[in-house]
Amino acid sequence: DTEVTQTPKHLVMGMTNKKSLKCEQHMGHRAMYWYKQKAKKPPELMFVYSYEKLSINESVPSRFSPECPNSSLLNLHLHALQPEDSALYLCASSQDVTVNEKLFFGSGTQLSVL
Amino acid sequence: GENVEQHPSTLSVQEGDSAVIKCTYSDSASNYFPWYKQELGKRPQLIIDIRSNVGEKKDQRIAVTLNKTAKHFSLHITETQPEDSAVYFCAASAYGNKLVFGAGTILRVKS
Repeated sequence: DTEVTQTPKHLVMGMTNKKSLKCEQHMGHRAMYWYKQKAKKPPELMFVYSYEKLSINESVPSRFSPECPNSSLLNLHLHALQPEDSALYLCASSQDVTVNEKLFFGSGTQLSVL
Repeated sequence: GENVEQHPSTLSVQEGDSAVIKCTYSDSASNYFPWYKQELGKRPQLIIDIRSNVGEKKDQRIAVTLNKTAKHFSLHITETQPEDSAVYFCAASAYGNKLVFGAGTILRVKS
């Protein structure tokens, strides 16, 4: 299985809602990532988990809260988002964060904040 | 930190022609250079990558070249087909550091 699976594929939420994005991989990868991508722009790194521990937070606002329940799962909890947070949220995984390894991306969650 | 510049921002070619996209990087410690293809509405997919101990790598119609002295690397696509139309991102990273992406190139292959 070389897939990174993300749910939901689309999400519309109001600025007062709380929602969660989910990501799963079964490749035995020990590094998992959240990226944010605006249309026709490169992915922007948000968070990196290495061996289930948060290793990088790219100064992301606290309204985004990551969680790694186990080595296969990664969640992104959303609360009190702003319209400018509307974007494609991509999860990715790689074998190990300390070695330059191939990143496998999920299909993403297209988020719209109203 | 690392900075990656990518050119051109858009590229239109006739089907069957070659396409070349160039990237320059700033950190001489960078040693891993992947290229991602992203079709409209889809995930970025790794199409080829190269490490700093190699000057060139080929995979069928796709090749990547690396010039460490000049700190630039290029993607070459030969015999382009309509399905090659997508946004292409180059990236660079040093050992243990995060991947830094270029701004992307929109490639259009006209049939």
